[in-house]
Amino acid sequence: AQSVTQLDSQVPVFEEAPVELRCNYSSSVSVYLFWYVQYPNQGLQLLLKYLSGSTLVKGINGFEAEFNKSQTSFHLRKPSVHISDTAEYFCAVDNDMRFGAGTRLTVKP
Amino acid sequence: NAGVTQTPKFQVLKTGQSMTLQCAQDMNHEYMSWYRQDPGMGLRLIHYSVGAGITDQGEVPNGYNVSRSTTEDFPLRLLSAAPSQTSVYFCASSYSGTGEYGYTFGSGTRLTVV
Repeated sequence: AQSVTQLDSQVPVFEEAPVELRCNYSSSVSVYLFWYVQYPNQGLQLLLKYLSGSTLVKGINGFEAEFNKSQTSFHLRKPSVHISDTAEYFCAVDNDMRFGAGTRLTVKP
Repeated sequence: NAGVTQTPKFQVLKTGQSMTLQCAQDMNHEYMSWYRQDPGMGLRLIHYSVGAGITDQGEVPNGYNVSRSTTEDFPLRLLSAAPSQTSVYFCASSYSGTGEYGYTFGSGTRLTVV
């Protein structure tokens, strides 16, 4: 079975700073890759997805992610975060939607 | 458009009790699934269904049953609740199980077993 590793359990940043949330996956075949966001006491919302084509994927709320096949990574980035981006972020892989353990992003004023 | 609706939002059970977590979607999605979310472990797949009448086990199916008699509904049954089943449960749906559409999630059911 495929696995997903989110390398940071918590990422604190100051408002307007850039952020990168790291995700690595294990797979020797083509994959679909996803990032979801979970705001407090809510379900998960799809931020963006990679299916094929361009390795740079843009999502909602100014987030983007880059698929790197050689490094089996799919890191999430935002150039300037807001307080409202405070949430938990999950990376997921392929059609069995296996999730990473999550990264809690805390944006401080 | 309600999306995926889960009920109840909160539940406290005593060890050994049974209950059903309800999940309904109004998007005519073929694929539905149940996850549990525990701190530091992300979401783990309990059961899933690729269409009415078809269900299968996920990563952590023990202690749970499902059925899919209609496209809209996918209830999760706890047969005899145990403290280890204390968790937040999420239902999700998608046009298909092949993943390319992503999933729509419900808002969750927080279950405590005492």
